[in-house]
Amino acid sequence: EVLLVESGGGLVQPGGSLRLSCAASGFTFSTYEMNWVRQAPGKGLEWVSFITGSGITIFYADSVKGRFTISRDNANNSLYLQMNSLRAEDTAVYYCARGHLAVDAFDIWGQGTLVTVSS
Amino acid sequence: EIVMTQSPATLSVSPGERATLSCRASQSVSNNLAWYQQKPGQAPRLLIYGASTRATGIPARFSGSGSGTEFTLTISSLQSEDFAVYYCQQYNNWPPYTFGQGTKLEIK
Repeated sequence: EVLLVESGGGLVQPGGSLRLSCAASGFTFSTYEMNWVRQAPGKGLEWVSFITGSGITIFYADSVKGRFTISRDNANNSLYLQMNSLRAEDTAVYYCARGHLAVDAFDIWGQGTLVTVSS
Repeated sequence: EIVMTQSPATLSVSPGERATLSCRASQSVSNNLAWYQQKPGQAPRLLIYGASTRATGIPARFSGSGSGTEFTLTISSLQSEDFAVYYCQQYNNWPPYTFGQGTKLEIK
């Protein structure tokens, strides 16, 4: 079964840091581009970051550029999101999402992990 | 950045009837458009990509159409499990990938 499982969310103070992880199973992880997408409470979906299978090419949304870092460990089938200088507006459920092999849609999503930034 | 606008925000339809959801792009995205379904407390699920190709395991009652700036998701005969929020997403000009704000499909 193809599965993505996020972890690492929690409550953090403004200005703090958090590292999210996404464990992949059931497919050849290194073959696939991966993304982080977030959803603020009661709101829509916002793309956060992208990384190619090799990890060479990376993109970020302007809202997180300079504060968040995406990375991956293909040997351990894991995707990461290091989040620094967190703000209240970063409060959201964070999903890891696999890039479809043929098109740039997201074909598999994890269940999400909630990040709450509050004092 | 391409802005995606979905309409209506909420659509009330009876089970067994047809539902038509719209998505408009601020500039052409060719056919590089996807639709997702999200139920409360769940992750989104890919329904349609390439504007009209159903993803693996998606029932035939879901169909997508359109190209350029105007797109439609049609659910031909609504089942109880279809009541959810639906998002469109463009992947023609990125980064960033952009999503519409969603259409909530509710039971009438």
